[in-house]
Amino acid sequence: NAGVTQTPKFRILKIGQSMTLQCTQDMNHNYMYWYRQDPGMGLKLIYYSVGAGITDKGEVPNGYNVSRSTTEDFPLRLELAAPSQTSVYFCASSRGGDRTTEAFFGQGTRLTVV
Amino acid sequence: GESVGLHLPTLSVQEGDNSIINCAYSNSASDYFIWYKQESGKGPQFIIDIRSNMDKRQGQRVTVLLNKTVKHLSLQIAATQPGDSAVYFCAENNSKGNDYKLSFGAGTTVTVRA
Repeated sequence: NAGVTQTPKFRILKIGQSMTLQCTQDMNHNYMYWYRQDPGMGLKLIYYSVGAGITDKGEVPNGYNVSRSTTEDFPLRLELAAPSQTSVYFCASSRGGDRTTEAFFGQGTRLTVV
Repeated sequence: GESVGLHLPTLSVQEGDNSIINCAYSNSASDYFIWYKQESGKGPQFIIDIRSNMDKRQGQRVTVLLNKTVKHLSLQIAATQPGDSAVYFCAENNSKGNDYKLSFGAGTTVTVRA
C-alpha cells in the first residue's frame, strides 16, 4: 500500500518556467489537498478537492491551478514560477466524512525558484 | 478570523519525562481538533483528534486535552522517547459548516535530550 505518492521530490525552476507537481493516492480517498510549507512555518492550504471533478481554493491559491479528473490523481500546476513559490509542497488525502481529520501526507516536493 | 497557534515554538525534554505541547485556537465553530507530528524530511502524520464535545482523549502514550472555556488544546506525551523528536502541529476542522479543510498552526519543535 503506497499511500500518497508525490513526484518529483526535488526541483529547481527558473523564474517564469512552469511545472506540474504530481500526486496520486491508492486509498480511494475522496478528499485531496495541496499544502505549502515555508521554512519554520506551518502548512498553508493552496487547493483542495472533495471528489473527482470538484476543486476549490484554499488560503493561498494565486499562481497555482489544479484538476481532479480521477479519484486517484490531483496534480498541482505552477504557471510562471516566481521566487515566492520556493517552498516544500505536500499533497494529502483523507477519507472525508467523520475521518476528515485523519489526512495522509506524501513525502513532499522541495521546489526552488531561482 | 480563525487561527490556530501554539504557545511556544520549541520544547526541550529529557528522555523519559512527560512532554506537554500547547495550542490556542480562536474559532469557536470548530468541532474537531487534531494533532500531527512531522519528522525531519517527512510529511505530517496524524497522531490523535478530539471532538469539541469531549475534554480528554487518550491514545497510545498520548493524551489530548481540550479546554473550550479558554480555547486551549494540549498534547501530552508520556515517557518521551528519542523518536518523539519532531515538529508538532495542532489543527482544526469545522465539519458542521461543511468545511473540508484542516487549518494548521505554526508548530512546536520538540527535542528529546538523552
